[in-house]
Amino acid sequence: AQTVTQSQPEMSVQEAETVTLSCTYDTSESDYYLFWYKQPPSRQMILVIRQEAYKQQNATENRFSVNFQKAAKSFSLKISDSQLGDAAMYFCAYRSDNNAGGTSYGKLTFGQGTILTVHP
Amino acid sequence: ETGVTQTPRHLVMGMTNKKSLKCEQHLGHNAMYWYKQSAKKPLELMFVYSLEERVENNSVPSRFSPECPNSSHLFLHLHTLQPEDSALYLCASSQGLHSQETQYFGPGTRLLVL
Repeated sequence: AQTVTQSQPEMSVQEAETVTLSCTYDTSESDYYLFWYKQPPSRQMILVIRQEAYKQQNATENRFSVNFQKAAKSFSLKISDSQLGDAAMYFCAYRSDNNAGGTSYGKLTFGQGTILTVHP
Repeated sequence: ETGVTQTPRHLVMGMTNKKSLKCEQHLGHNAMYWYKQSAKKPLELMFVYSLEERVENNSVPSRFSPECPNSSHLFLHLHTLQPEDSALYLCASSQGLHSQETQYFGPGTRLLVL
């Protein structure tokens, strides 16, 4: 079974600075997807960024980028120019590629989450 | 606003009560999900529906009973719950079940079982 580990329960960053959230995962599969979700205090979880395992190029979305190290099974999230609105719980998640004949529908497995605080 | 709504937002119930959680998605999606989020634990997938058919029951106790009358609505019927069932219950939807598809989450129902 796949597992996702976020070793940082809490992180903090100064506004306008850069912060990196860590995520590692364990899998025997070669094709899969990785996600970072953000859950602000309002509790509505939203997708921040997605990475396909078959792509070597790291995904980027504006101020958010990932460092995907497939061999090391590491998937960290970098937030540049941090803003107050970035304060939230961040979840790393793994999903098997069911199109490759894996699990029936590709269960989304989440890490424990990292609480990010942004100081003005 | 992600197009997925949940009611009620907060619910307090006794162990002998029967209540239902409602989820509605306005995105035209075909797949819907129930997740349980407990304090200091990863999100746990409970149920998955695709085109109103249940495709996954992730070893959830029978005191939780899902219902999907159509592709836009998903219910979670609760009865004889335990205090350890207190948690945030999140509904999500996606276009289909393909792994690359994004799941869109609702705001959740905060449930307290006394």
